[in-house]
Amino acid sequence: DIQMTQSPSTLSASLGDRVTITCRASQSISSWLAWYQQKPGETPKLLIYKASSLESGVPSRFSGSGSGTEFTLTISSLQPDDFATYYCQQYNTNLYTFGQGTKLEIK
Amino acid sequence: QVQLVQSGAEVKQAGASVKVSCKASGYTFVNHGISWARQAPGQGLEWMGRVSAYNGNTNYAQTFQGRVTMTTDTATSTVYMELRSLRSDDTAVYYCAKEKYTGGQAPFDYWGQGTPVTVSS
Repeated sequence: DIQMTQSPSTLSASLGDRVTITCRASQSISSWLAWYQQKPGETPKLLIYKASSLESGVPSRFSGSGSGTEFTLTISSLQPDDFATYYCQQYNTNLYTFGQGTKLEIK
Repeated sequence: QVQLVQSGAEVKQAGASVKVSCKASGYTFVNHGISWARQAPGQGLEWMGRVSAYNGNTNYAQTFQGRVTMTTDTATSTVYMELRSLRSDDTAVYYCAKEKYTGGQAPFDYWGQGTPVTVSS
């Protein structure tokens, strides 16, 4: 199975900061990567798919980039609603994998 | 509107089996695969496997091969996930999720509300 590694595991940041989360795949997955946001007690929410396509209704401060084995999720200016855990997920084949998650905390 | 409604919480003894259901509505059921993922307390998301609602074909994560079965009932637009030989580390919230595209190889755009499964030894 393809392994997905996110970094950092925890990120402390302030309102208005620009933050970047990285996801690395153990082999090339082209652009078949999604990003999800999950808040405590809630189900995951799709933010980005196909590495850089913004899901409908998601604020434009979220963006994704990358291809092959290295990907990033960027939040351009942190808002209070953005403090959550973020997961990447590969769907290169029908055997999917999630990253271990990045918890974004208020500094 | 798209909805995935899962069955209720379960408490099982170690060694038993659990079967969780996921009833879909608001879209053409056979056009989108359904995946199952779980989340142990305080932990991350773990993908378990997927089933094609079109033809019932399945793909399972290696971790769960031989212990999980996913099936569909197109008459009721319901997907089932059965996990056998339960252990205490199977205690988790189990989610179903709908694939965004037809034909598989897709991210998940809708999720069920989650089914807590507690395994006691």
